[in-house]
Amino acid sequence: QKEVEQNSGPLSVPEGAIASLNCTYSDRGSQSFFWYRQYSGKSPELIMFIYSNGDKEDGRFTAQLNKASQYVSLLIRDSQPSDSATYLCAVNSETSYDKVIFGPGTSLSVIP
Amino acid sequence: NAGVTQTPKFQVLKTGQSMTLQCAQDMNHNSMYWYRQDPGMGLRLIYYSASEGTTDKGEVPNGYNVSRLNKREFSLRLESAAPSQTSVYFCASSQSGTTYEQYFGPGTRLTVT
Repeated sequence: QKEVEQNSGPLSVPEGAIASLNCTYSDRGSQSFFWYRQYSGKSPELIMFIYSNGDKEDGRFTAQLNKASQYVSLLIRDSQPSDSATYLCAVNSETSYDKVIFGPGTSLSVIP
Repeated sequence: NAGVTQTPKFQVLKTGQSMTLQCAQDMNHNSMYWYRQDPGMGLRLIYYSASEGTTDKGEVPNGYNVSRLNKREFSLRLESAAPSQTSVYFCASSQSGTTYEQYFGPGTRLTVT
């Protein structure tokens, strides 16, 4: 069974701090890695995707990928209360690239 | 451009009743998906369809059937609802062949009593 694991949290950070969210995956052949944000009672929303080893930055968000360690992370700089949500890590399947496996999510709370 | 739409938004069923959840997308995506989300379990794939006319089982297909009616529409049917199927159901779509990021509908909150 291919798995994607995340710390369930909750992770609490003060406003303005850096929030660091981590994810590990078991399928060595995975090629695409995604971070989704889900507010309570809402549907998941894609915020970042990454395919290559290294860092990808988009505004206050940075995704980091290390395929050798099977590890992907999301950094949120200058965290805002509006960033309080559950963050879902997702990884595509090696055998079927359009099939994505989601982690259980990490709940983030940004304290004003 | 509505993206991914789902109906209904809420539904209460009695054990043994049947119903169909509807999903449609207007982004011309090839792939469509049905997930269920339960507290602490994340999103679990029920069925997906990589293209019109094809469907495949996901992680938790038992008790469900699907139909890919055309490129836009992908429905999920519960033939005989059970309390264990109480969940929030999300439909999603993606454009295969490139980035595979998925776009989600607003969800259906289903309660089976």
